Amino acid sequence: QIQLVQSGPELKKPGESVKISCKASGYTFTNYGMYWVKQAPGQGLQYMGWINTETGKPTYADDFKGRFVFFLETSASTAYLQINNLKNEDMATYFCARYVYYGRVMDAWGQGASVTVSS
Amino acid sequence: DVVMTQTPVSMSVSLGGQVSISCRSSQSLVHNNGNTYLSWYIQKPSQSPQLLIYKVSNRFSGISDRFSGSGSGTDFTLKISRVEPDDLGVYYCGQGTQYPFTFGSGTKLEIK
Repeated sequence: QIQLVQSGPELKKPGESVKISCKASGYTFTNYGMYWVKQAPGQGLQYMGWINTETGKPTYADDFKGRFVFFLETSASTAYLQINNLKNEDMATYFCARYVYYGRVMDAWGQGASVTVSS
Repeated sequence: DVVMTQTPVSMSVSLGGQVSISCRSSQSLVHNNGNTYLSWYIQKPSQSPQLLIYKVSNRFSGISDRFSGSGSGTDFTLKISRVEPDDLGVYYCGQGTQYPFTFGSGTKLEIK
């Protein structure tokens, strides 16, 4: 069955970097895009951007340009989100989600990876 | 960006009852290709979101027919009939017609 398994919770200090992984299984990795979605504590869902898993080209929403990096390890069917120079406002749960081009929807989601930023 | 406005913010319903959640977009969600990319998701407590409905009214695989989506242009509705305990959570609408993808702010469904 289709699964997206994300890495575990992270505790980081402001200014550090964090890398979150999202390992896909049960489908052909390069046939679907990979979206990233942020959920701050007690808040709703915020689209961060996506990566084309066929070409490796990332696209970032305006609020996530600069410190956020999407990249792939295609041979391992894994997508990554790296956040550099962490700030307090980056404290959130980050979801990866499989993007279906024809329906323009996210039809499978990872379990989420929480990032805590504290000095 | 397209702004998605959901109402109500929260609602309480008795088991077996019916609810309607409204989602309005700041611009038409009809794409140049004629499709309308409006979807609905549920986030159950302590879980990741799950797709319920795509392209306004198409139920995703395995989704009960108690869930139905309707609407057009800028006005959309999710109806849940014969509410069950497992339906509690936060419901989000989302649009993929225009970049960037945007979500509504969510409607929390509680069971009386």
